[in-house]
Amino acid sequence: AQSVTQLDSHVSVSEGTPVLLRCNYSSSYSPSLFWYVQHPNKGLQLLLKYTSAATLVKGINGFEAEFKKSETSFHLTKPSAHMSDAAEYFCVVSEPGYALNFGKGTSLLVTP
Amino acid sequence: DAGVIQSPRHEVTEMGQEVTLRCKPISGHNSLFWYRQTMMRGLELLIYFNNNVPIDDSGMPEDRFSAKMPNASFSTLKIQPSEPRDSAVYFCASNPGTFLVNTEAFFGQGTRLTVV
Repeated sequence: AQSVTQLDSHVSVSEGTPVLLRCNYSSSYSPSLFWYVQHPNKGLQLLLKYTSAATLVKGINGFEAEFKKSETSFHLTKPSAHMSDAAEYFCVVSEPGYALNFGKGTSLLVTP
Repeated sequence: DAGVIQSPRHEVTEMGQEVTLRCKPISGHNSLFWYRQTMMRGLELLIYFNNNVPIDDSGMPEDRFSAKMPNASFSTLKIQPSEPRDSAVYFCASNPGTFLVNTEAFFGQGTRLTVV
């Protein structure tokens, strides 16, 4: 069975400060993990993915995430937030043969 | 490739009417997913097809919902009869995944359904 827990439903940061969005997962196998972003009234866009290669994954727009098997975590980070980063972020886990399983989402607010 | 194409983008219908949502996956992708997004429940998987065959439909809310994939390039999600609580954004997604490996899914822009 696979599941994902996003530990914060809302995160607020100031522009130019670091971003940390937390995600823990549960999987019976070696999972694939993804982060998606959804801007208001838009579709879902892939930020980055982990598929059993390098544990530190770099994505678009300066985001990265580190796969930590011992902690079953896949936290999303960015060194410096930009106003355009304000959006909903989804952590996703997937095992072969199964559909992608989405977390509840974390709403990121960036203040000037 | 134009990506995953959904139609219509917006649908407003009266309670009790039949609603059909359409999806064209990315060419060559053999998995297709229908998701529903609401404020209360977030993103829920409704049904998952692989090679046009429904693999997991445990997320389909009730018998009023049905989904078909008659060929590799087309899928429909039908609600009959529709109810106000079906109001949501419905996303279709596809990926080239198989039972051996799974990759990211590519999402359409969604259909915003409002049932009044």
